[in-house]
Amino acid sequence: ELKVEQNPLFLSMQEGKNYTIYCNYSTTSDRLYWYRQDPGKSLESLFVLLSNGAVKQEGRLMASLDTKARLSTLHITAAVHDLSATYFCAVDSPIPTSGTYKYIFGTGTRLKVLA
Amino acid sequence: GAGVSQSPSNKVTEKGKDVELRCDPISGHTALYWYRQRLGQGLEFLIYFQGNSAPDKSGLPSDRFSAERTGESVSTLTIQRTQQEDSAVYLCASSLAGSSFLTSGNTIYFGEGSWLTVV
Repeated sequence: ELKVEQNPLFLSMQEGKNYTIYCNYSTTSDRLYWYRQDPGKSLESLFVLLSNGAVKQEGRLMASLDTKARLSTLHITAAVHDLSATYFCAVDSPIPTSGTYKYIFGTGTRLKVLA
Repeated sequence: GAGVSQSPSNKVTEKGKDVELRCDPISGHTALYWYRQRLGQGLEFLIYFQGNSAPDKSGLPSDRFSAERTGESVSTLTIQRTQQEDSAVYLCASSLAGSSFLTSGNTIYFGEGSWLTVV
């Protein structure tokens, strides 16, 4: 069964600091996704990583994928308060015999950026 | 353009009653997903539809839960004889999941959720 784990689960950091969130998954997959969830809101897509070595950047966030290590990272540079949210990674896993995939989310990392 | 629409947005029900949650996916999206998120927790996969069929129902927590999809569009998630542990937000998402997703990925788009409270 596919497992997707993130660490840390909770992160409190000062504005201006850098930090990295890690996402490990248990089975072979070349596709990894990052989503953001604000309190009381639904999830919105941040990044789609489709191959080993893929790197995507948007503002102060940069995501990378190492499929051999089954690891993705979300790096935060010079954090600002607006980045406070919960961040989820997700992996799509093939469903045997159907030719289709299901989406499994990580445990989530709750980020709080302190002013 | 219209996004994923869920109804009701909030539902308070008495223990033992049945509830039905509805999801209208983005037009043309063939894949539809239901997740459950308890307060402060992650997303728990419930069921996935490709068209009107569900290749994977493994996430449904018990036989009190069922889901269907018709017309490759609207889906309903039904919870019978609700229990307090069913209290959560139920999130629906949809995606194209077509042949191009191997090259462009399979971003899924979420609705705002149906917040269920069982009292």
